[in-house]
Amino acid sequence: DTEVTQTPKHLVMGMTNKKSLKCEQHMGHRAMYWYKQKAKKPPELMFVYSYEKLSINESVPSRFSPECPNSSLLNLHLHALQPEDSALYLCASSVESGNYEQYFGPGTRLTVT
Amino acid sequence: GENVEQHPSTLSVQEGDSAVIKCTYSDSASNYFPWYKQELGKRPQLIIDIRSNVGEKKDQRIAVTLNKTAKHFSLHITETQPEDSAVYFCAAEGTASKLTFGTGTRLQVTL
Repeated sequence: DTEVTQTPKHLVMGMTNKKSLKCEQHMGHRAMYWYKQKAKKPPELMFVYSYEKLSINESVPSRFSPECPNSSLLNLHLHALQPEDSALYLCASSVESGNYEQYFGPGTRLTVT
Repeated sequence: GENVEQHPSTLSVQEGDSAVIKCTYSDSASNYFPWYKQELGKRPQLIIDIRSNVGEKKDQRIAVTLNKTAKHFSLHITETQPEDSAVYFCAAEGTASKLTFGTGTRLQVTL
């Protein structure tokens, strides 16, 4: 299996809701990433996990809470989001962190109403 | 932190012509430079990458050059085809293991 999968594909949530995004890979990669991509903009790094430990947090608001339950799975828990958080959320993985190709998932398109 | 600039923002070429996209980066410690292609509504996909110990790399119609002294790198696509139409992002990764993307180039290949 050489793919990164993400669920759900689309998510609409209200500002008071709690939801989670899920990312999975079975390539044996030990680094996993969350990116946020707004329309017509490049992906922006949010979090990096290396060997299941959070190694980079790009000063992301606490309403976004990442979790890495095991080496294949990455979650992003969402709570009390704002309309400006609406975006495409991309997950990626690589063999290890640092100068390795990152494989991206198809993304979750999030709309906050 | 790293800053990556990318030009042009849009590029229109005729089928069969060459396309060149240029990027500059600010962190002299950066040593990994991938290029991603993103079609509308799809995920970014790596098309070629280069590391700092190499000045040029080629894969069929695609080539990347790197000038570490000047801190710039370029993507060259020859014999362009309509399926090359997409948004292309350059990126740079340094010692912080953080990938910073350029602002993107929308390439349109016309018949």
